[in-house]
Order: sequence, then structure tokens, then C-alpha cells
Amino acid sequence: DTGVSQNPRHKITKRGQNVTFRCDPISEHNRLYWYRQTLGQGPEFLTYFQNEAQLEKSRLLSDRFSAERPKGSFSTLEIQRTEQGDSAMYLCASSGASDLGYIQYFGAGTRLSVL
Amino acid sequence: TQLLEQSPQFLSIQEGENLTVYCNSSSVFSSLQWYRQEPGEGPVLLVTVVTGGEVKKLKRLTFQFGDARKDSSLHITAAQPGDTGLYLCAGAGGGYQKVTFGIGTKLQVIP
Repeated sequence: DTGVSQNPRHKITKRGQNVTFRCDPISEHNRLYWYRQTLGQGPEFLTYFQNEAQLEKSRLLSDRFSAERPKGSFSTLEIQRTEQGDSAMYLCASSGASDLGYIQYFGAGTRLSVL
Repeated sequence: TQLLEQSPQFLSIQEGENLTVYCNSSSVFSSLQWYRQEPGEGPVLLVTVVTGGEVKKLKRLTFQFGDARKDSSLHITAAQPGDTGLYLCAGAGGGYQKVTFGIGTKLQVIP
């Protein structure tokens, strides 16, 4: 397995446009997480899926943000009407059961720049 | 809300020196992970500790989980320029094993 894959790696958009990011988790992992990371900060939790069910959403996830995981495999994160404050690195992680619990493995991230 | 404090936030040392990074919280975690992140990349898992008092070694890196599972430390011996990066601790606990990240320690090892 090649690990968690995120596309695109970089996205530049104009304010007001919609953007969509994709995450392909490690194939045997049933849990998937989205985080946002800004410069000089650690990743901040956005939302969590177990299989296709979205079980938790952070208050950071405004109504302009929506995430889906339709078949319990890949996930998409859409941001509508982007704002400059949305500029950040968006990270996806997946986890599955192990002897040490559900350890999260991260993708390389999608860096969003809103002009 | 579970908060993790990391110290120091920035560290610049000469190659060959030793260093320790700390991760502290008032909350108890079921497990704690250390990740290393390079600019423009996602965090890469270094280690997971789950038992209070546990010590794990990964080559020149030594990780310790506090007895009460509220804190952890990362010690690097004889640092090398390749160790340069952002070191993040992350505590797991609560529903769905949600992970809370510290702000990170930015390490620069000067040749």
C-alpha cells in the first residue's frame, strides 16, 4: 500500500470560488480524518468518518465546508465561496485497528492559497 | 478540551548536540504519538506510546510517556542536520480516538 494519498498537492484559487480536495486513505483503514494546519500551528481537527458515516465535526467546519465519504473509501472536502482565511494546509489521515489502537497516518496534504 | 503544550517552540542547535523536547497536558491520554513534519509535507509518524512510564528508542531518538499518561518527552542524541523539522506530539483519547496536536517544536540542526 502506498499510504494516504491527497490530491491536488497545491491549489491556488480566487476568493469566492469553490474548491474540492480528495483523500484516498490506506485501503484497510475504516477511519478517516480531515485537519487544517496554518503556518506555525499544529494540525486542527475538522471532521471524522467511520466508514461512510460522518461522526464528528469541529466548530471550525463552517457551513461553507462539506465533507463526504460516499462509499467508505475515498473522501472529498469541499469549500464553497472561499475566503482568504481559508488559506492553509489541509491534511487527511486514516486509521485502522492495531495492537496500539487507532494510530493516524497522514497524507502529504493539500496546500490551498486563496488570492 | 484537551490541550497539549510543547516546549520549546523553537530550537536551533549545532550538529552533535543533544536535545529534549517536552509535551505536557493536564489531560490523560490513552496513547500519545510523536510525528515529524517537513515543510510542505504531512506529519510522519515516529512512535506511539501507550503505557505510563513507557520508554521507546528509535535509533538516536528516545521517547518517554509519563507515568500518569499526561506528558511525554523526546530526546535526540547527537543531532544531525537530517533531524531538522517540526516535531509534533499528539494525544489520543475520548470519542473515536480523536487526536489533539501540540503546536510543535521547530528544530534546526546546523552543520
